[in-house]
Amino acid sequence: AQSVTQPDIHITVSEGASLELRCNYSYGATPYLFWYVQSPGQGLQLLLKYFSGDTLVQGIKGFEAEFKRSQSSFNLRKPSVHWSDAAEYFCAVEGTGGFKTIFGAGTRLFVKA
Amino acid sequence: EAGVVQSPRYKIIEKKQPVAFWCNPISGHNTLYWYRQNLGQGPELLIRYENEEAVDDSQLPKDRFSAERLKGVDSTLKIQPAELGDSAVYLCASSSRDTSGGQETQYFGPGTRLLVL
Repeated sequence: AQSVTQPDIHITVSEGASLELRCNYSYGATPYLFWYVQSPGQGLQLLLKYFSGDTLVQGIKGFEAEFKRSQSSFNLRKPSVHWSDAAEYFCAVEGTGGFKTIFGAGTRLFVKA
Repeated sequence: EAGVVQSPRYKIIEKKQPVAFWCNPISGHNTLYWYRQNLGQGPELLIRYENEEAVDDSQLPKDRFSAERLKGVDSTLKIQPAELGDSAVYLCASSSRDTSGGQETQYFGPGTRLLVL
């Protein structure tokens, strides 16, 4: 069965510092992978997605993620965090063939001045 | 282009009362999803529609939850009667296949925050 693990419940980084949010998945084949961001009181916004091809995926707001098959990971990165990046981040996996999307529990990002 | 619209944004009810949520997906999106998001957790799929057909409702608690998508556009999700444990944010999302007929991307509405007292 599919599953997604986000090991970090919350992370605090200084503004301007780099960021990496971890995501590990369990699936029998190569799944579709997503990162979403959710600001307080808002719905989820797609940051980026991986379906196939280049394992380094560029997204909106300066985010990128790298799919590593050998590690079953899809970590999200940003070289320089802005205060407006403070939010909850969700990794999600969807099985090929249209199986339902499974979300991780989320990582809350705090940005300190 | 308007995004996914949900109403109401907030709802407070007493337990055992009924409640309904409404969703208007992005125009042209054939697939519609209802998710429930408990505090501190990620969204969990309740039901997925392809046009007016519910193609995955395995996670929908059918004893008290019901949903419909008449005419394959708007959708309503109902809970009757509501229980304390139903307090959560109910998210609606819609998607369509990209121009190459490939994978779908989901677009989420702002959600309805339900509090059952």
